[in-house]
Amino acid sequence: DAGVIQSPRHEVTEMGQEVTLRCKPISGHDYLFWYRQTMMRGLELLIYFNNNVPIDDSGMPEDRFSAKMPNASFSTLKIQPSEPRDSAVYFCASSPPRGRNNEQFFGPGTRLTVL
Amino acid sequence: AQSVAQPEDQVNVAEGNPLTVKCTYSVSGNPYLFWYVQYPNRGLQFLLKYITGDNLVKGSYGFEAEFNKSQTSFHLKKPSALVSDSALYFCAVRGLLTGGGNKLTFGTGTQLKVEL
Repeated sequence: DAGVIQSPRHEVTEMGQEVTLRCKPISGHDYLFWYRQTMMRGLELLIYFNNNVPIDDSGMPEDRFSAKMPNASFSTLKIQPSEPRDSAVYFCASSPPRGRNNEQFFGPGTRLTVL
Repeated sequence: AQSVAQPEDQVNVAEGNPLTVKCTYSVSGNPYLFWYVQYPNRGLQFLLKYITGDNLVKGSYGFEAEFNKSQTSFHLKKPSALVSDSALYFCAVRGLLTGGGNKLTFGTGTQLKVEL
């Protein structure tokens, strides 16, 4: 299995631009998570889906952030408009069904820099 | 609300010596506990987990962790450290309550540095 796939691996953009991060979870996993990692705040859960449905989005910082999961094999995290304080590494993770006992499998992350 | 504390930002160990990375947790009900490792410019990798059963859990790369309910701790250990173990280690907890869903709460991470 290829593991969780994220694209792009690096993104540099200017303030005000729209940014879209992409994630392909491991086949057969029905939980998908989006995290953000910064030096100041550590690892934060932004949102997670179960069977393509958003379950908990309480970690999404602002309305500028939105996430979708149109099907079981694809999810996006969009920031519009982006701001310099959004600069961070964004991780996607997935987990198998009945995931309470199961670990999460992380992708390699997308390093976002907003100038 | 569930929470995890990793009291040490950094742990330094000489190669060949035993290492311990500390973690304490707070959660309603019985906890599900996890350790992850992050190497530079990589995503988190699962090391081990405690769900139920034996308090000593063995995981990848020779790591183990001891669950202590009375002290609400889940310290990560390895009998003999390697330079290649140098990385950032995260403890995480998942609550048992239905309302907690499948949400993992991570600690702030402990940087392990193993020196020759």
